Amino acid sequence: EAGVAQSPRYKIIEKRQSVAFWCNPISGHATLYWYQQILGQGPKLLIQFQNNGVVDDSQLPKDRFSAERLKGVDSTLKIQPAKLEDSAVYLCASSLGTGAYGYTFGSGTRLTVV
Amino acid sequence: QQQVKQSPQSLIVQKGGISIINCAYENTAFDYFPWYQQFPGKGPALLIAIRPDVSEKKEGRFTISFNKSAKQFSLHIMDSQPGDSATYFCAASMYGQNFVFGPGTRLSVLP
Repeated sequence: EAGVAQSPRYKIIEKRQSVAFWCNPISGHATLYWYQQILGQGPKLLIQFQNNGVVDDSQLPKDRFSAERLKGVDSTLKIQPAKLEDSAVYLCASSLGTGAYGYTFGSGTRLTVV
Repeated sequence: QQQVKQSPQSLIVQKGGISIINCAYENTAFDYFPWYQQFPGKGPALLIAIRPDVSEKKEGRFTISFNKSAKQFSLHIMDSQPGDSATYFCAASMYGQNFVFGPGTRLSVLP
């Protein structure tokens, strides 16, 4: 089966600019996650969707980050305005459903804010 | 309580040796403990996972040992190979949700 697709692979922006990342999960996977992985650290959950509804966004900095999953398939994560500390790899993952143990990650988008 | 601690931060092992990575958690509500392997430029990939009702799980050269009373679990890689060189993350979750990852261990296996 095809994996989790993410684009772009790399992005460099200046602070205070906006940026958007796109994720296409594995076909049929109802649950989609966005993680932030800062260099040298483990991934940190930003938001979890079940179909097109938000299950958990408690760690999403809502003053600058937003995410949507229209039609319960693709998802976009946006940062506006970006800060230097947002430099990280943004990983998308999907699973069959909540409670489906273990899920599949995409290769991520590496964001550098200068 | 949501934190997962992991050690060592980095590990160098000779080819054929045993690599051991340790993790500890506080929240007794965690019921699923996976290990992920991440190569540079790639997302983490599930390696092996265990539930707290068993003390050990083995898949090929990879074994998880789980100590429920101590709230610790570890990954053992037997006959380590240069291709095993990667960053390894332990994680814990409740009901398959709310995954909490450790900070990672960078493993280098020397030829």
